[in-house]
Amino acid sequence: DQQVKQNSPSLSVQEGRISILNCDYTNSMFDYFLWYKKYPAEGPTFLISISSIKDKNEDGRFTVFLNKSAKHLSLHIVPSQPGDSAVYFCAATSYRGDDKIIFGKGTRLHILP
Amino acid sequence: NAGVTQTPKFQVLKTGQSMTLQCAQDMNHNSMYWYRQDPGMGLRLIYYSASEGTTDKGEVPNGYNVSRLNKREFSLRLESAAPSQTSVYFCASSEKIQGAPPTHFGDGTRLSIL
Repeated sequence: DQQVKQNSPSLSVQEGRISILNCDYTNSMFDYFLWYKKYPAEGPTFLISISSIKDKNEDGRFTVFLNKSAKHLSLHIVPSQPGDSAVYFCAATSYRGDDKIIFGKGTRLHILP
Repeated sequence: NAGVTQTPKFQVLKTGQSMTLQCAQDMNHNSMYWYRQDPGMGLRLIYYSASEGTTDKGEVPNGYNVSRLNKREFSLRLESAAPSQTSVYFCASSEKIQGAPPTHFGDGTRLSIL
């Protein structure tokens, strides 16, 4: 039973355009959501997060939107740059519950020149 | 500040051999995690430890054991390695502080079981 789902294995976006990565979750106990970026042969690095008390969080070119009723979140990257080519993981956890941090399968983003 | 350090970086084992993967963090985090990453499967949680002296199973614990030696160190042991355990293993640590990146990862251990 996959609690965090990223249904698009890959995504290609033209440089300068907007990249939108999607994530769905099933566990209602999740109240904190995170996005990580991973380059080959490196560990994932934290990108941006959002608490369930918010519906939007912005950090520079990165914005995460949370729709609690739909159990859906998305990461927007504007404008997309070549260095954004990587695998992006969505993750979820519960500050009220245990310490598990559950990850999705990831979406590979290709930024095209 | 080294963050999360994993050793070794690479290892090749024969089926049936045992091995311990080491992880240490210097950020004084309470929580530590072991994940494995396989192609098309993302990061799957093997075991985690919410604090020194406690450990809990994650999504895929079978075939593994863990030990939270102290607040800094969290080791993962394969008692009898199997080819299905060929993977990249990541250790992570976190602290539930609002506004702070809660999870820091090591660079991984690439493990091949022949």
